[in-house]
Amino acid sequence: DTAVSQTPKYLVTQMGNDKSIKCEQNLGHDTMYWYKQDSKKFLKIMFSYNNKELIINETVPNRFSPKSPDKAHLNLHINSLELGDSAVYFCASRKEWGIQYFGAGTRLSVL
Amino acid sequence: GQNIDQPTEMTATEGAIVQINCTYQTSGFNGLFWYQQHAGEAPTFLSYNVLDGLEEKGRFSSFLSRSKGYSYLLLKELQMKDSASYLCAVRDSGGEGSNYQLIWGAGTKLIIKP
Repeated sequence: DTAVSQTPKYLVTQMGNDKSIKCEQNLGHDTMYWYKQDSKKFLKIMFSYNNKELIINETVPNRFSPKSPDKAHLNLHINSLELGDSAVYFCASRKEWGIQYFGAGTRLSVL
Repeated sequence: GQNIDQPTEMTATEGAIVQINCTYQTSGFNGLFWYQQHAGEAPTFLSYNVLDGLEEKGRFSSFLSRSKGYSYLLLKELQMKDSASYLCAVRDSGGEGSNYQLIWGAGTKLIIKP
């Protein structure tokens, strides 16, 4: 069973479109994250939720909006996609003392 | 500011030993993690150090010196499957409520040659 699953795995879309990425974890963790990994492989945190509450909201454009309907799910909606949004987006969840478990990633290409 | 430095790329030979260094300057410290990331895949947890010294786990060991802001990951008996990026990450301090944010290095791409 996949511990952290995100969909879709690949997303190719046009500039200006709106898209969503979904993430679910079946580990019973309270904390979930969204990361962006650019072409230089640098992992940059975007958002963190703890028990459905937003804890960390790094400097990202407000076109990105996370939603956590329950503590097992953290979705990411992106409005008005731009070329610079092309990257791999990883969802992760965290055990109490720190190990983060990552989803397989969503490869977003904006054309 | 927060800064984590690792070499961008290293090359080693199958069967050999390689040491990947990581230095950090962070406002707080509550543990250091090493993750492995194969190309096109998700990062996976390798090791965790919070106290000074060496943690050994099979072919992989990780060392921490908090006074020097320094860690290394040691890989022994290298195998071709060890070709991957190795990410160093420091957990910020602040106790419960800080959400244990990880500050990530850019990763070291390790290339194993036959």
